[in-house]
Amino acid sequence: EVQLVESGGGLVQPGRSLKLSCAASGFTFSNYYMAWVRQAPKKGLEWVATISTSGSRTYYPDSVKGRFTISRDNAKSSLYLQMNSLKSEDTATYYCARATVATCYFDYWGQGVMVTVSS
Amino acid sequence: DIVLTQSPATLSVTPGESVSLSCRASQGISTSIHWYQQKSNESPRLLIKYASQSISGIPSRFSGSGSGTDFTLSINRVESEDFSVYYCQQSYSLPLTFGSGTKLEIK
Repeated sequence: EVQLVESGGGLVQPGRSLKLSCAASGFTFSNYYMAWVRQAPKKGLEWVATISTSGSRTYYPDSVKGRFTISRDNAKSSLYLQMNSLKSEDTATYYCARATVATCYFDYWGQGVMVTVSS
Repeated sequence: DIVLTQSPATLSVTPGESVSLSCRASQGISTSIHWYQQKSNESPRLLIKYASQSISGIPSRFSGSGSGTDFTLSINRVESEDFSVYYCQQSYSLPLTFGSGTKLEIK
């Protein structure tokens, strides 16, 4: 059974940093692209980042480019999201999701982790 | 960026009715559209990929159609467990984008 379990969320002040983690199990992690998708409270879904199987290629929308960094450790079947210079508009539930290529659907999602950016 | 417009924003139906949810893209995207269901306080679940391809484990009452700019998610005979929010997502080009969602509620 595919499982994605996020951790690392919490309350952080504007301008500070936070690192999210996602532990994957139930599939060969190194064979899949992985992504982060977020959802602000009572809002829709927003793609945040995608990383290739080896980690050599990363993709971001303009809203987080230069502030967020996605990475992975295939030996640990883990995905990460380093978030710097956080803003109030980054407040959201962050989901780890599995993909097959950079431009495709997300077939499995984690339960999500809440990040609140507030002073 | 490709904008996806979902309509209606809210759809009120009686269990047993059949419904169609719309997703319109701001430019042609072939069949690179995917549909998700999100129940309250849960993670999204993939329902349909590439406009019409079924997903293992998803009930057969869910189906998708369309190409180019206009896409439809159909639910044949809505059941009580189907009342949730539905999102479309495009993978034609980066940045990946989602529609704003259609909430299916009980009339």
